[in-house]
Amino acid sequence: NAGVTQTPKFQVLKTGQSMTLQCAQDMNHEYMSWYRQDPGMGLRLIHYSVGAGITDQGEVPNGYNVSRSTTEDFPLRLLSAAPSQTSVYFCASSRTGNQPQHFGDGTRLSIL
Amino acid sequence: QKEVEQDPGPLSVPEGAIVSLNCTYSNSAFQYFMWYRQYSRKGPELLMYTYSSGNKEDGRFTAQVDKSSKYISLFIRDSQPSDSATYLCAMSAYNTNAGKSTFGDGTTLTVKP
Repeated sequence: NAGVTQTPKFQVLKTGQSMTLQCAQDMNHEYMSWYRQDPGMGLRLIHYSVGAGITDQGEVPNGYNVSRSTTEDFPLRLLSAAPSQTSVYFCASSRTGNQPQHFGDGTRLSIL
Repeated sequence: QKEVEQDPGPLSVPEGAIVSLNCTYSNSAFQYFMWYRQYSRKGPELLMYTYSSGNKEDGRFTAQVDKSSKYISLFIRDSQPSDSATYLCAMSAYNTNAGKSTFGDGTTLTVKP
C-alpha cells in the first residue's frame, strides 16, 4: 500500500529558481491538499483540490501554483523560490471532504 | 486569535503515566474532530476521529469532545516510549471542502523509560 507518495524527499534551491513538488495517491481519493509546516506554526493550507480539474486557494497560496489533471496526481509548483518558502511540505488526500486525511512523508525544502 | 489553540508543551512524562493533550476552538461550526500523531521526519498519521460531542476509546487512547465548552482532549493511558511524538489536533465543519481542516500547532510528547 503506497498511500500518498511525495517526491523528492529533500531539495535545496537557490533564490529565484523554480521547481515542482510531486504528489501521487493510489487510493482513488477525490480530495487532495498541500500544506506547509514551519516550527511553531502548525500545518498551513496552501492549495487544495476537490477533484480532477478543480483547485482552490488555501490560507497561504502566494508564490505557489497547482493543477489537477488526474485523480492521482497533484503537483505543487514554486514559481520563483524565496528564502521564506523554506519549509517542510506535506501532501494529503481524503475520500470525502469530512474524512480524515492521509499524509505523505513530506518534502524538506531549503532555499538559499 | 487562532481558530484552534493547542496546549503548546512540550510534555515530558515517565513511562506508564497518563497523558492529557488538549485543544480549544472558537468556531462553533466544527463537527469533526481528529487527532494525528507525527513522528520525527514523518507525515501526520490519524490516531482518532470523532464526530460531535462524546468520548471514543481505542486501546490506550481516549478522545473526548465537549462542544458546549469548545474543548477536546486526547488521553493516553500507560504511556510508552513509542508514544513519543508530536500530537496535532484538527477540526472541520460539516460539508467543508477537503483541506479545510484547521490544525492546532501541535504538542510534542516525550515518554521517558
